[in-house]
Amino acid sequence: AQSVTQPDIHITVSEGASLELRCNYSYGATPYLFWYVQSPGQGLQLLLKYFSGDTLVQGIKGFEAEFKRSQSSFNLRKPSVHWSDAAEYFCAVGDSSGGGADGLTFGKGTHLIIQP
Amino acid sequence: SQTIHQWPATLVQPVGSPLSLECTVEGTSNPNLYWYRQAAGRGLQLLFYSVGIGQISSEVPQNLSASRPQDRQFILSSKKLLLSDSGFYLCAWSVQTGGGSPLHFGNGTRLTVT
Repeated sequence: AQSVTQPDIHITVSEGASLELRCNYSYGATPYLFWYVQSPGQGLQLLLKYFSGDTLVQGIKGFEAEFKRSQSSFNLRKPSVHWSDAAEYFCAVGDSSGGGADGLTFGKGTHLIIQP
Repeated sequence: SQTIHQWPATLVQPVGSPLSLECTVEGTSNPNLYWYRQAAGRGLQLLFYSVGIGQISSEVPQNLSASRPQDRQFILSSKKLLLSDSGFYLCAWSVQTGGGSPLHFGNGTRLTVT
């Protein structure tokens, strides 16, 4: 069964500084990978997704993520964070074996705090 | 474009009372539909998913049930709520093309059982 680990429960970053949120997955083949963002009291919004091909994927709001098969990682990055980026971030993995109707498996999330 | 509506946004219910949360999707046909529960510090837990009308798969045995009476309607129910049912409930949909389809979420329902 697939699983996702987000090692950092909380991350504090100064406004304007760079950001990297870590995500490690466990899956037997090449997975489908996703990053979502959740503002307080809201649903989840898709930031970006990786299916195949270029291992560096660009998303919305200036985010990017890099798939590293050797490290089973899919870390999320942003060169310069804004106060509006404060939110909860979730990494998720989907089943690439042809099934997958049973949704995505999510990590427990990383809470991002932005310092002024 | 596709939209997903989920209501109510917040709900406070006493222990032992029934529950009905509703979710509808517009702008797409025959979607996969999902109910997730989110508890603080525990990420998202898949409760139910459905690939078609009347087809419900349960991921976690519990006090809740789900139904899909129409193609784009998904309902989460309980006959008698427990304190442990408190949480943030999220409905989501995806196109039926396998595990690579991203989920699109509603804005959630905050349920407090007192």
